[in-house]
Amino acid sequence: EAQVTQNPRYLITVTGKKLTVTCSQNMNHEYMSWYRQDPGLGLRQIYYSMNVEVTDKGDVPEGYKVSRKEKRNFPLILESPSPNQTSLYFCASSSSLARRRFFGPGTRLTVL
Amino acid sequence: QKEVEQDPGPLSVPEGAIVSLNCTYSNSAFQYFMWYRQYSRKGPELLMYTYSSGNKEDGRFTAQVDKSSKYISLFIRDSQPSDSATYLCAMSPKDAGGTSYGKLTFGQGTILTVHP
Repeated sequence: EAQVTQNPRYLITVTGKKLTVTCSQNMNHEYMSWYRQDPGLGLRQIYYSMNVEVTDKGDVPEGYKVSRKEKRNFPLILESPSPNQTSLYFCASSSSLARRRFFGPGTRLTVL
Repeated sequence: QKEVEQDPGPLSVPEGAIVSLNCTYSNSAFQYFMWYRQYSRKGPELLMYTYSSGNKEDGRFTAQVDKSSKYISLFIRDSQPSDSATYLCAMSPKDAGGTSYGKLTFGQGTILTVHP
């Protein structure tokens, strides 16, 4: 089954404790991206990657890091999480020029 | 001003009603227009996809794009309780180069409830 998976689905952590949210897709897509979704603000892009070892900032990259060492994986790293990063996070993938995004199920992160 | 504006609702309608969801935008470079549906505790999934102006129909769903007014709509006919979800419009420019590569700009989403 074609899908995007994220782990963990739910996470409660404390300020400053480094965490990683994993994302994996099995569709051989070149393009992967991370979004956060907040009430009243919709989906905002954090980082995206056009292919292995090629990443770039989206609209709200502050406080986040990403890496793309393999085509299928695109982890999101929060080196020192803060409460304003409490949000619902989605990973998405698509083939190189397509606008259709396949979204993962989401990760609800709470930073205390 | 946000590039894409969408009334967040919430919108509550009886089963069988015609639902109209709308977005306005300010960036005249947008050429691709999409509607995503997001059920509770799920990721968004593509519902409708149109290029440039015009209408597109798929079953009970019709997407309309009016580029002259910078306005897009999604109509749901004979709405069902299973249509209850958040509907997000999304847009993208045609050019895929540089930092705008395939970038989607989303509206805030409209929460729709269809009650029996």
